[in-house]
Amino acid sequence: SQQGEEDPQALSIQEGENATMNCSYKTSINNLQWYRQNSGRGLVHLILIRSNEREKHSGRLRVTLDTSKKSSSLLITASRAADTASYFCATDDFGNEKLTFGTGTRLTIIP
Amino acid sequence: NAGVMQNPRHLVRRRGQEARLRCSPVKGHSHVYWYRQLPEEGLKFMVYLQKENIIDESGMPKERFSAEFPKEGPSILRIQQVVRGDSAAYFCASSPPQRPSEQYFGPGTRLTVT
Repeated sequence: SQQGEEDPQALSIQEGENATMNCSYKTSINNLQWYRQNSGRGLVHLILIRSNEREKHSGRLRVTLDTSKKSSSLLITASRAADTASYFCATDDFGNEKLTFGTGTRLTIIP
Repeated sequence: NAGVMQNPRHLVRRRGQEARLRCSPVKGHSHVYWYRQLPEEGLKFMVYLQKENIIDESGMPKERFSAEFPKEGPSILRIQQVVRGDSAAYFCASSPPQRPSEQYFGPGTRLTVT
């Protein structure tokens, strides 16, 4: 079964609105990261949040982490057409460097 | 400042042929990871290597797949006797030794088996 599950699977919003994606995981983690993937391209690292952190910001991105609920959320504010992509969360555990990815959220920004 | 480089970007092989995928990590990164992505799915871990050592190959299929990261040169993912089910995007990532979780991904190699 998937370590990470994002929801929703697909999200369409108007340009300028905020987009929120969620990620749930099953086991303990050391870090949780969010990546963006444009269609047919590689992954771009967005943000990393450690297990002892609760919130992190980077530009228009805000990530929260709730280890008691084993969940994280990614908020993109003031969305732009260029934000159209798939977004994945990935977790790693202490002493285990491999990343376990969720199934992704396909975000479409409507101009 | 070159990022992770992978070649070829696209590879077409007939069933039964061999596929060789190459990955050059970010300069100074000594950890290399390979992941596979099937259409409409997330990435799945395959193997984690350091120079001349396989650290974790728990995600590698038992047969036909092998990986190496020699002292000199790129990391190689080798798939022997490819089958249609091997068609996927294969991504390589590298990380600095002091922050192994901070992985930077290459553009991927899209393998199509006909």
